[in-house]
Amino acid sequence: QSALTQPRSVSGSPGQSVTISCTGTSSDVGGYDYVSWYQHHPGKAPQLIIYDVTERPSGVPDRFSGSKSDNTASLTISGLQAEDEADYHCCSYADGSVRFGEGTKLTVL
Amino acid sequence: QVQLVESGGDVVQPGRSLRLSCAASGFTFSRHGMQWVRQAPGKGLDWVAATSNDGSDKYYGDSVKGRFIISRDNSKNTLYLQMNSLRVEDTAVYYCAKLFSSGWSADYWGQGTLVTVSS
Repeated sequence: QSALTQPRSVSGSPGQSVTISCTGTSSDVGGYDYVSWYQHHPGKAPQLIIYDVTERPSGVPDRFSGSKSDNTASLTISGLQAEDEADYHCCSYADGSVRFGEGTKLTVL
Repeated sequence: QVQLVESGGDVVQPGRSLRLSCAASGFTFSRHGMQWVRQAPGKGLDWVAATSNDGSDKYYGDSVKGRFIISRDNSKNTLYLQMNSLRVEDTAVYYCAKLFSSGWSADYWGQGTLVTVSS
């Protein structure tokens, strides 16, 4: 049950776009269209921002978008804002279990 | 509004047991699967266990299989996690979360409860 691979950190300036990758295997990311992304501000509850690879829950700005190619999923945040600074965790269903990524810290410069 | 409130976190010695609770409100608890996820200090999220809406199906992460038991009482709108044979590496903040999609995405999370395993 290996963790999905994410970059440890990414950064961008306000208004720019950043993309966070999440690499798994054909047993998880590549095998199901069930990748989700969570935004997590330290000390708070994680918030779902993308589910089923590309879907956004109501209330999540369309600046957040998701995609997938083979065994790698990606989260793109466009028009970066200061409040986007947080940890981002990818997650994939994997045949009766769930695998999370190691988490990516986004810094807004 | 949906609320999930975890409780039961404590400092315990290795080998001991602890039971966490998660009180749910603001939605029809018996209609949704639930899960526990944890985060050790300085680490990423780690999936612990999940249960179907009626508690008949239960799933566990490899690191807790055989030691932890997930359960629920739909009459009390409460999710539980019985943690046995605790190890130092079980030290983490434990979150309960409500599942809402086929792919086990969690649309609501609690604030978490801290479990520290230390001698």
